[in-house]
Amino acid sequence: AQSVAQPEDQVNVAEGNPLTVKCTYSVSGNPYLFWYVQYPNRGLQFLLKYITGDNLVKGSYGFEAEFNKSQTSFHLKKPSALVSDSALYFCAVRDMTRFQKLVFGTGTRLLVSP
Amino acid sequence: DADVTQTPRNRITKTGKRIMLECSQTKGHDRMYWYRQDPGLGLRLIYYSFDVKDINKGEISDGYSVSRQAQAKFSLSLESAIPNQTALYFCATSDSRQGMTYEQYFGPGTRLTVT
Repeated sequence: AQSVAQPEDQVNVAEGNPLTVKCTYSVSGNPYLFWYVQYPNRGLQFLLKYITGDNLVKGSYGFEAEFNKSQTSFHLKKPSALVSDSALYFCAVRDMTRFQKLVFGTGTRLLVSP
Repeated sequence: DADVTQTPRNRITKTGKRIMLECSQTKGHDRMYWYRQDPGLGLRLIYYSFDVKDINKGEISDGYSVSRQAQAKFSLSLESAIPNQTALYFCATSDSRQGMTYEQYFGPGTRLTVT
């Protein structure tokens, strides 16, 4: 079965520093991978996805993610963190059943300090 | 996403009561989903629907039922609420007809407390 793992419950970073939120995946076949963000009292918002092509994917709000097939990882990155980036981040993978729905990780809370 | 709405946004109910959470979308998407979010557990899928006539159980469907009244409406019912159903519930949609992009669009959530 397809799955993703987010090994860190929380990531702390100072404003202006680069940030990385980690995600590893387990799939059979080619992975379709996604990142979502959840701000307080809001639903999840789509950030970016990898389906095929370049290993570096650019998304909303200055975020990008690097697909690494050999390490089965899809880490979310941003060169310079903002306090407003503080939120809950979810990695997800498309499953391979008939319905091809998304399977979400447990989430990583990002705290950016001023 | 304002195109996916959920009502109510907050609800406190007592053990044993029946409760319905409603979801409507104006995106014209064919697929709809219900998730629950619990701290440390991420999002878990309760039910999902291909279209009006195709409804499927997710990983945690026990104690829940759904109704897809129209393509734009998908309701979640708790037949007899219990305290461990206290959670944040999300509705989501996706479109299978636009190149299968797989993104899901989420409503703002319903915070349900069962006392």
